[in-house]
Amino acid sequence: AQKVTQAQTEISVVEKEDVTLDCVYETRDTTYYLFWYKQPPSGELVFLIRRNSFDEQNEISGRYSWNFQKSTSSFNFTITASQVVDSAVYFCALSEPGIKAAGNKLTFGGGTRVLVKP
Amino acid sequence: DGGITQSPKYLFRKEGQNVTLSCEQNLNHDAMYWYRQDPGQGLRLIYYSQIVNDFQKGDIAEGYSVSREKKESFPLTVTSAQKNPTAFYLCASSTPRTGGKEKLFFGSGTQLSVL
Repeated sequence: AQKVTQAQTEISVVEKEDVTLDCVYETRDTTYYLFWYKQPPSGELVFLIRRNSFDEQNEISGRYSWNFQKSTSSFNFTITASQVVDSAVYFCALSEPGIKAAGNKLTFGGGTRVLVKP
Repeated sequence: DGGITQSPKYLFRKEGQNVTLSCEQNLNHDAMYWYRQDPGQGLRLIYYSQIVNDFQKGDIAEGYSVSREKKESFPLTVTSAQKNPTAFYLCASSTPRTGGKEKLFFGSGTQLSVL
C-alpha cells in the first residue's frame, strides 16, 4: 500500500523567513509521480509542482524550490523569503501508476499548515 | 474562464436524509474525482470517473453514490448510510490518465455538516 507522511502539522514563521516542508513516501512502484499542492483559505487545491521518479534534478522556481531524494524517499519543499500570501495548507501527493483503467488516483499526505506572520 | 464549479458552498443534512453535491467543469476533461477532507487530515478518494457513464469506487465509497451522465457533470450523493458525513468535499478533474502524471484541477469545495 502507498503512504505519504507529512510529519509537520503546522509551521509558524515571520515574514521573510524560509520554510521547509517535509514529505516522506512509501511505494513499491519503480515509476511514479510526486506532487505538491497548495490549499489557500478559499479551499481549492492549486497544483505547484510535479516530479517523476526518474528525475532527481532539484529545481528552483522563483521563491519555491524542491529537493527530491529517491534514496530516502523524500520530496521536500522550501519557500524562500516567505510572504503572508504563502499562508495555506500544503499537501504532498503520490500517484498510483499501473493499470491504465485505474485512474489518476493520488495518495495525499495529511498536509502542513503554514502560517506566515507579518 | 475555465474551471470547476462546486455548489453549494455550505450544506446541512438532517438525520436520514440524502443530499447531493454538485460538480460542473468546463475544462473538457474526461476524468473527474471526488475527495473527502477531514480536519487535519489529507484527502481521501471517494469515487472517480474516467469517462461518461463509467465510474469506480475509491478508498471510502461506502455511503456515497455518483453518476456521470454528462462529461461536464459528476454529482455526488451522500446517502443516509454514511454515518459520519461531516467533512469538506472536493471535486477535481484531469485529462485522461497517461501514466499518473496528470495534475488535478480542483473546485473550491462544499462543507457538509449534520444538523
